[in-house]
Amino acid sequence: DAGVIQSPRHEVTEMGQEVTLRCKPISGHNSLFWYRQTMMRGLELLIYFNNNVPIDDSGMPEDRFSAKMPNASFSTLKIQPSEPRDSAVYFCASSGVQTSNYGYTFGSGTRLTVV
Amino acid sequence: AQTVTQSQPEMSVQEAETVTLSCTYDTSESNYYLFWYKQPPSRQMILVIRQEAYKQQNATENRFSVNFQKAAKSFSLKISDSQLGDTAMYFCAFMKHAGGNQFYFGTGTSLTVIP
Repeated sequence: DAGVIQSPRHEVTEMGQEVTLRCKPISGHNSLFWYRQTMMRGLELLIYFNNNVPIDDSGMPEDRFSAKMPNASFSTLKIQPSEPRDSAVYFCASSGVQTSNYGYTFGSGTRLTVV
Repeated sequence: AQTVTQSQPEMSVQEAETVTLSCTYDTSESNYYLFWYKQPPSRQMILVIRQEAYKQQNATENRFSVNFQKAAKSFSLKISDSQLGDTAMYFCAFMKHAGGNQFYFGTGTSLTVIP
């Protein structure tokens, strides 16, 4: 298995532009999580899906952020419009029915820089 | 709500020595799971070790072991015979046994192994 695949690995964009981050979870995993990592706030859960349905989006900072999971093999996190304070590493993670045994599998993250 | 605290932002250890990273958590749950993740400079999140709260025996994975004190709500990670490749951020995480598979992460400890 190729693991959780995120793209792009790096993204530099100008303030006000739309940014779309992509994630392909591990085949067979039914849960998907989006995290944001910064030095100041550590790892923050933004949103998670079970069976493609958003379960908890209370971590989404504001309306500029949106996430979708149209099918079991793909999810996007969109920021529109982007702001410099959105600069961070964004991780996608997935897990299966045995999360307690195997934990999450994380992607390599997308480093977003908004200038 | 569950909270996870890692009180040591940074630590260092001499190569081949032993180091212990601390983690405490707060929960009213009686059954749950605890994890340690490693994030090297490559930023990939890697599962190091896991512990089930209902097991009294401390988990061990090669040079990594935990000291799980349920009453004290403490879950420390011991790394024996430290190697340069152990240099990384280490995150402690908590997951409830029932009611979803959301992780609660600590803020991390940055460990440097000194040659």
